[in-house]
Amino acid sequence: QKEVEQDPGPLSVPEGAIVSLNCTYSNSAFQYFMWYRQYSRKGPELLMYTYSSGNKEDGRFTAQVDKSSKYISLFIRDSQPSDSATYLCAAFKAAGNKLTFGGGTRVLVKP
Amino acid sequence: DGGITQSPKYLFRKEGQNVTLSCEQNLNHDAMYWYRQDPGQGLRLIYYSQIVNDFQKGDIAEGYSVSREKKESFPLTVTSAQKNPTAFYLCASSQTTSSGNTIYFGEGSWLTVV
Repeated sequence: QKEVEQDPGPLSVPEGAIVSLNCTYSNSAFQYFMWYRQYSRKGPELLMYTYSSGNKEDGRFTAQVDKSSKYISLFIRDSQPSDSATYLCAAFKAAGNKLTFGGGTRVLVKP
Repeated sequence: DGGITQSPKYLFRKEGQNVTLSCEQNLNHDAMYWYRQDPGQGLRLIYYSQIVNDFQKGDIAEGYSVSREKKESFPLTVTSAQKNPTAFYLCASSQTTSSGNTIYFGEGSWLTVV
């Protein structure tokens, strides 16, 4: 079983819709959680970074962490065609100092 | 500009050859990482280094080697022992602060075995 699981998609939504992305993790030692956006043939770009359970908002993006359920989410409001990309969730545990990624979800926002 | 620079962007290797991918960062980060990404898949950790002259194996280190002689540089050598080296290679760096740890990536290097 992978430590961080993510539905590969693709997830197709119309422009303006809310995009909802989810990941689950199995290791309680994970302390920090991140969401990255990756365009084709590019390096991942950090979108959101969270530490505690609860919501964190940044513009059109909201990250949600539920440590009791080991569940993390990313919501994109008012989605745009430029949001079409692969979204990677990642979890970090200080011991070992390394980041573990989910497999990524490909998102397509149709005009 | 501050950031992580990987080179070359595209590299072709003949079977049996070793190749070295360069990664340089001017963010003054202590930790550096190498990840491998195969098409349609997530990132897998090859090696990481938390400090100069020290590095640890990640999940898929076999067939790879690294060095960390300078804080800003963390080159990755893909050796002939790596059986399936064709992939997208990503270098990253991070700095631990009181508010946590964030990891930033370079633009990647595409390696193709011909």
